[in-house]
Amino acid sequence: EPEVTQTPSHQVTQMGQEVILRCVPISNHLYFYWYRQILGQKVEFLVSFYNNEISEKSEIFDDQFSVERPDGSNFTLKIRSTKLEDSAMYFCASRGAIYTDTQYFGPGTRLTVL
Amino acid sequence: AQTVTQSQPEMSVQEAETVTLSCTYDTSESDYYLFWYKQPPSRQMILVIRQEAYKQQNATENRFSVNFQKAAKSFSLKISDSQLGDAAMYFCAYRSLQYNNNDMRFGAGTRLTVKP
Repeated sequence: EPEVTQTPSHQVTQMGQEVILRCVPISNHLYFYWYRQILGQKVEFLVSFYNNEISEKSEIFDDQFSVERPDGSNFTLKIRSTKLEDSAMYFCASRGAIYTDTQYFGPGTRLTVL
Repeated sequence: AQTVTQSQPEMSVQEAETVTLSCTYDTSESDYYLFWYKQPPSRQMILVIRQEAYKQQNATENRFSVNFQKAAKSFSLKISDSQLGDAAMYFCAYRSLQYNNNDMRFGAGTRLTVKP
Protein backbone atom coordinates (compact mmCIF):
# COMPACT_ATOMS: atom_id res chain seq x y z
CA GLU A 1 0.00 0.00 0.00
CA PRO A 2 1.44 3.41 -0.91
CA GLU A 3 2.51 5.56 2.01
CA VAL A 4 3.97 8.93 2.83
CA THR A 5 7.63 8.79 3.83
CA GLN A 6 9.71 11.33 5.72
CA THR A 7 13.44 11.77 6.25
CA PRO A 8 15.24 11.99 8.52
CA SER A 9 13.36 10.29 11.34
CA HIS A 10 15.28 12.37 13.86
CA GLN A 11 17.19 15.61 13.29
CA VAL A 12 19.31 17.32 15.92
CA THR A 13 20.50 20.85 15.24
CA GLN A 14 21.96 23.87 16.98
CA MET A 15 19.87 26.95 17.58
CA GLY A 16 20.19 29.36 14.67
CA GLN A 17 20.97 26.68 12.12
CA GLU A 18 18.87 25.96 9.06
CA VAL A 19 17.15 22.59 8.68
CA ILE A 20 15.32 20.98 5.80
CA LEU A 21 12.79 18.28 6.50
CA ARG A 22 11.94 16.04 3.60
CA CYS A 23 8.77 14.26 2.63
CA VAL A 24 7.82 12.03 -0.25
CA PRO A 25 4.03 12.15 -0.62
CA ILE A 26 1.97 9.38 -2.16
CA SER A 27 2.72 9.50 -5.86
CA ASN A 28 -0.65 10.49 -7.35
CA HIS A 29 -1.53 12.94 -4.60
CA LEU A 30 -1.79 16.64 -5.36
CA TYR A 31 -2.28 18.34 -1.99
CA PHE A 32 0.48 18.44 0.58
CA TYR A 33 0.57 19.51 4.20
CA TRP A 34 2.90 20.07 7.10
CA TYR A 35 1.79 19.73 10.72
CA ARG A 36 3.70 20.17 13.95
CA GLN A 37 3.31 18.50 17.33
CA ILE A 38 5.22 19.86 20.29
CA LEU A 39 5.79 17.11 22.83
CA GLY A 40 2.69 16.51 24.91
CA GLN A 41 0.55 18.89 22.87
CA LYS A 42 -1.93 18.63 20.04
CA VAL A 43 -1.07 18.36 16.37
CA GLU A 44 -1.15 21.81 14.74
CA PHE A 45 -1.54 22.74 11.11
CA LEU A 46 1.34 24.68 9.56
CA VAL A 47 0.78 24.92 5.81
CA SER A 48 -0.93 23.41 2.81
CA PHE A 49 0.48 23.36 -0.71
CA TYR A 50 -1.17 22.81 -4.06
CA ASN A 51 -0.18 23.46 -7.65
CA ASN A 52 3.28 24.65 -6.60
CA GLU A 53 2.09 27.30 -4.23
CA ILE A 54 0.95 27.71 -0.66
CA SER A 55 -2.84 27.50 -0.46
CA GLU A 56 -3.20 28.09 3.26
CA LYS A 57 -0.96 28.70 6.25
CA SER A 58 -1.41 29.13 9.97
CA GLU A 59 -0.08 31.89 12.19
CA ILE A 60 2.70 29.52 13.25
CA PHE A 61 4.06 29.50 9.70
CA ASP A 62 6.00 32.75 9.83
CA ASP A 63 8.87 34.04 7.70
CA GLN A 64 11.36 31.55 9.08
CA PHE A 65 9.44 28.72 7.43
CA SER A 66 9.24 27.91 3.76
CA VAL A 67 8.04 24.97 1.69
CA GLU A 68 9.05 23.74 -1.69
CA ARG A 69 8.38 20.96 -4.12
CA PRO A 70 11.76 20.91 -5.86
CA ASP A 71 10.99 17.98 -8.12
CA GLY A 72 8.13 15.66 -8.92
CA SER A 73 8.38 13.64 -5.75
CA ASN A 74 9.80 15.57 -2.79
CA PHE A 75 8.05 18.12 -0.59
CA THR A 76 10.29 19.99 1.83
CA LEU A 77 9.90 22.17 4.89
CA LYS A 78 12.77 24.56 5.58
CA ILE A 79 13.27 26.31 8.88
CA ARG A 80 15.78 29.11 8.29
CA SER A 81 17.06 29.91 11.76
CA THR A 82 15.88 27.35 14.27
CA LYS A 83 14.80 28.29 17.78
CA LEU A 84 14.52 26.12 20.86
CA GLU A 85 10.73 26.25 20.59
CA ASP A 86 10.87 24.69 17.12
CA SER A 87 11.67 21.37 18.77
CA ALA A 88 8.74 19.18 17.85
CA MET A 89 7.53 16.31 15.73
CA TYR A 90 6.84 17.44 12.17
CA PHE A 91 4.34 15.48 10.13
CA CYS A 92 3.90 15.62 6.40
CA ALA A 93 0.56 14.61 4.90
CA SER A 94 -0.84 14.29 1.40
CA ARG A 95 -4.18 13.69 -0.24
CA GLY A 96 -5.59 13.04 -3.68
CA ALA A 97 -7.23 15.36 -6.13
CA ILE A 98 -10.76 14.92 -4.89
CA TYR A 99 -11.42 17.39 -2.09
CA THR A 100 -13.17 14.73 -0.04
CA ASP A 101 -10.12 12.49 -0.01
CA THR A 102 -8.49 11.55 3.28
CA GLN A 103 -5.13 13.01 4.26
CA TYR A 104 -2.49 10.39 4.88
CA PHE A 105 0.25 11.16 7.34
CA GLY A 106 3.91 10.26 7.21
CA PRO A 107 5.74 8.80 10.21
CA GLY A 108 7.08 12.20 11.25
CA THR A 109 10.49 13.79 11.80
CA ARG A 110 11.50 14.52 15.35
CA LEU A 111 13.38 17.83 15.38
CA THR A 112 15.50 18.63 18.41
CA VAL A 113 16.99 22.12 18.66
CA LEU A 114 19.81 22.49 21.18
CA ALA B 1 -12.90 28.89 13.53
CA GLN B 2 -13.54 25.25 14.19
CA THR B 3 -12.41 23.80 17.49
CA VAL B 4 -12.18 20.23 18.67
CA THR B 5 -12.42 19.29 22.34
CA GLN B 6 -11.44 16.04 23.97
CA SER B 7 -12.42 16.29 27.61
CA GLN B 8 -10.73 13.08 28.76
CA PRO B 9 -6.94 13.46 28.99
CA GLU B 10 -6.60 9.83 30.08
CA MET B 11 -8.74 6.73 29.95
CA SER B 12 -8.16 3.19 31.07
CA VAL B 13 -9.78 -0.08 30.01
CA GLN B 14 -9.40 -3.72 30.89
CA GLU B 15 -8.29 -5.99 28.08
CA ALA B 16 -11.31 -7.42 26.19
CA GLU B 17 -13.60 -4.74 27.59
CA THR B 18 -15.19 -1.81 25.76
CA VAL B 19 -14.19 1.82 26.12
CA THR B 20 -15.64 5.03 24.70
CA LEU B 21 -13.56 8.14 24.01
CA SER B 22 -15.39 11.46 23.80
CA CYS B 23 -15.01 14.27 21.31
CA THR B 24 -17.02 17.41 20.72
CA TYR B 25 -16.47 20.07 18.11
CA ASP B 26 -17.67 23.50 17.23
CA THR B 27 -18.48 24.57 13.71
CA SER B 28 -20.99 26.58 11.73
CA GLU B 29 -20.50 24.44 8.64
CA SER B 30 -22.94 21.78 7.56
CA ASP B 31 -20.58 19.54 5.64
CA TYR B 32 -17.28 18.30 6.97
CA TYR B 33 -15.33 15.20 7.89
CA LEU B 34 -14.44 13.86 11.29
CA PHE B 35 -11.60 11.50 12.07
CA TRP B 36 -10.05 9.51 14.85
CA TYR B 37 -6.30 9.03 14.69
CA LYS B 38 -4.22 6.73 16.83
CA GLN B 39 -0.71 7.73 17.87
CA PRO B 40 1.31 4.90 19.45
CA PRO B 41 4.63 5.53 21.23
CA SER B 42 6.34 5.64 17.83
CA ARG B 43 4.35 8.89 17.36
CA GLN B 44 3.16 7.94 13.90
CA MET B 45 -0.35 9.16 13.12
CA ILE B 46 -2.53 6.25 12.09
CA LEU B 47 -6.03 6.77 10.73
CA VAL B 48 -8.53 4.72 12.71
CA ILE B 49 -11.89 5.78 11.33
CA ARG B 50 -13.55 8.53 9.32
CA GLN B 51 -17.08 9.90 9.28
CA GLU B 52 -18.67 12.11 6.65
CA ALA B 53 -21.06 14.61 8.24
CA TYR B 54 -23.70 14.13 5.56
CA LYS B 55 -23.99 10.43 6.41
CA GLN B 56 -26.39 9.54 9.18
CA GLN B 57 -25.02 6.04 9.53
CA ASN B 58 -22.21 5.70 12.04
CA ALA B 59 -18.89 4.53 10.62
CA THR B 60 -17.50 1.18 11.70
CA GLU B 61 -14.10 -0.41 11.20
CA ASN B 62 -13.83 -3.83 12.79
CA ARG B 63 -13.64 -3.25 16.57
CA PHE B 64 -13.84 0.52 16.18
CA SER B 65 -17.10 2.39 15.78
CA VAL B 66 -18.29 5.93 16.24
CA ASN B 67 -21.38 7.54 17.68
CA PHE B 68 -21.89 10.62 15.55
CA GLN B 69 -24.47 13.06 16.86
CA LYS B 70 -24.48 15.94 14.39
CA ALA B 71 -26.95 18.15 16.22
CA ALA B 72 -25.02 17.78 19.46
CA LYS B 73 -21.68 18.11 17.59
CA SER B 74 -20.44 15.00 19.27
CA PHE B 75 -18.22 12.29 17.79
CA SER B 76 -17.25 9.54 20.21
CA LEU B 77 -15.10 6.50 19.47
CA LYS B 78 -16.00 3.10 20.83
CA ILE B 79 -13.34 0.42 20.99
CA SER B 80 -14.75 -3.05 21.56
CA ASP B 81 -12.81 -6.08 22.79
CA SER B 82 -9.85 -3.85 23.70
CA GLN B 83 -6.41 -5.24 23.00
CA LEU B 84 -3.03 -4.36 24.46
CA GLY B 85 -2.04 -2.94 21.08
CA ASP B 86 -4.81 -0.38 21.33
CA ALA B 87 -2.85 1.50 23.98
CA ALA B 88 -1.97 4.87 22.46
CA MET B 89 -2.91 8.52 22.26
CA TYR B 90 -6.13 9.02 20.34
CA PHE B 91 -6.81 12.27 18.55
CA CYS B 92 -10.14 13.44 17.25
CA ALA B 93 -9.89 15.68 14.19
CA TYR B 94 -12.16 17.88 12.12
CA ARG B 95 -11.71 18.76 8.49
CA SER B 96 -13.66 21.43 6.67
CA LEU B 97 -14.70 20.77 3.11
CA GLN B 98 -14.54 24.39 2.08
CA TYR B 99 -12.18 25.07 -0.73
CA ASN B 100 -8.80 26.33 0.49
CA ASN B 101 -9.78 25.70 4.08
CA ASN B 102 -9.36 21.98 4.48
CA ASP B 103 -6.61 21.56 7.00
CA MET B 104 -7.16 19.21 9.90
CA ARG B 105 -8.04 20.60 13.34
CA PHE B 106 -7.07 18.27 16.15
CA GLY B 107 -8.21 17.84 19.72
CA ALA B 108 -5.73 17.65 22.58
CA GLY B 109 -5.87 13.87 22.65
CA THR B 110 -6.84 11.11 25.06
CA ARG B 111 -4.23 8.70 26.34
CA LEU B 112 -5.69 5.20 26.46
CA THR B 113 -4.16 2.60 28.74
CA VAL B 114 -5.14 -1.06 28.32
CA LYS B 115 -4.72 -3.22 31.41
CA PRO B 116 -4.01 -6.94 30.97
